Amino acid sequence: EVQLVQSGAEVKKPGESLRISCKGSGYSFTSYWISWVRQMPGKGLEWMGRIDPSDSYTNYSPSFQGHVTISADKSISTAYLQWSSLKASDTAMYYCARHQGGAFDIWGQGTMVTVSS
Amino acid sequence: DIQMTQSPSSLSASVGDRVTITCRASQGISNSLAWYQQKPGKAPKLLLYAASRLESGVPSRFSGSGSGTDYTLTISSLQPEDFATYYCQQYYSTPPWTFGQGTKVEIK
Repeated sequence: EVQLVQSGAEVKKPGESLRISCKGSGYSFTSYWISWVRQMPGKGLEWMGRIDPSDSYTNYSPSFQGHVTISADKSISTAYLQWSSLKASDTAMYYCARHQGGAFDIWGQGTMVTVSS
Repeated sequence: DIQMTQSPSSLSASVGDRVTITCRASQGISNSLAWYQQKPGKAPKLLLYAASRLESGVPSRFSGSGSGTDYTLTISSLQPEDFATYYCQQYYSTPPWTFGQGTKVEIK
């Protein structure tokens, strides 16, 4: 079965760092880009950035550039989204998704990140 | 960047109704459009891509059409499991990949 499995929910304080993960299985991980998508509570979907796991080339939305880092370790078929200094406004559900052509055909189950003092 | 605008933002419908959701792009996107369904507490699910191509396993009551800047998602006969929020997404000019704001389909 083709799937993306994300790491579990996180509760952090403002200023703390965090890395969440997305592990692919059932397919060739390096053959498909992975994007990260944010969904703030009660809101819509926002594309954050994407990575090509074969060479770790990334693109970021200007809204997120400089605030998050996307990386991948192809040896363990895992993509990452990380923050060096979280803000309360980072509280959201984060999804990873696989690119198939231009659409996102497989999604992770989501990782809820709560940032609160 | 290409902006995507969905209408309506929400609608109320009954089981068996025909439902149509519209998505308008700020410039032509040459059928490079996907539709997703999201149920509460769940990840989005791909329904259609290339504006009208049904993803494997998606019921045939879902269909898509359109061209240029204007696209529609139609549910021919609404079923109880179809109550959800629907998003369009363009992938003609990327990055960024941009989503519409969503349309919530509620029970009348």
